[in-house]
Amino acid sequence: AQSVTQPDIHITVSEGASLELRCNYSYGATPYLFWYVQSPGQGLQLLLKYFSGDTLVQGIKGFEAEFKRSQSSFNLRKPSVHWSDAAEYFCAVGAQTSYDKVIFGPGTSLSVIP
Amino acid sequence: GAVVSQHPSRVICKSGTSVKIECRSLDFQATTMFWYRQFPKQSLMLMATSNEGSKATYEQGVEKDKFLINHASLTLSTLTVTSAHPEDSSFYICSAPSHREGGYTFGSGTRLTVV
Repeated sequence: AQSVTQPDIHITVSEGASLELRCNYSYGATPYLFWYVQSPGQGLQLLLKYFSGDTLVQGIKGFEAEFKRSQSSFNLRKPSVHWSDAAEYFCAVGAQTSYDKVIFGPGTSLSVIP
Repeated sequence: GAVVSQHPSRVICKSGTSVKIECRSLDFQATTMFWYRQFPKQSLMLMATSNEGSKATYEQGVEKDKFLINHASLTLSTLTVTSAHPEDSSFYICSAPSHREGGYTFGSGTRLTVV
């Protein structure tokens, strides 16, 4: 069965500190992988996506993610967090073989301490 | 880039009434549209998949007679919440595969409040 897990429900980091949000997936086919961010009361914004090629993907706002097939992981990282990064982060997976539905993880809420 | 326009962004309706949410693909043809629902502090859960010209496919536990989906053209898909109740209050968001973008384009969402 297709599934996405984000082990950390909530993370708090200090401004300027590094950040890593974990994501693991279970998918029968080669997946598309995504990270989205959602600010309170807002829609989704795509941070980055992985389809193929280089397993280290660069995204917007200084975020990057690394696809590790052997670990079925797609962790999101940022070297220095800004207060404006406080939001809800969703990892998601979709099929590469066809434009199938996207499955979302439960989300990780990020708080940033000044 | 590919854009999906979703309206309305917010709607408040009385219990028992129906509400229609529209998603339009502005510069591409969306043969498929996914409809998601997000309750407060929860993730997005897929409700149904609509395909142009055919009946929608609903996820397990989603009432098809309550959440009517129409996908009559390649640029418009609608979700109608019929006989809305307070428990239907949620954030509804649509998404279409975007071949040009190589991924999925999301609407901006509709926050429905049923009073």
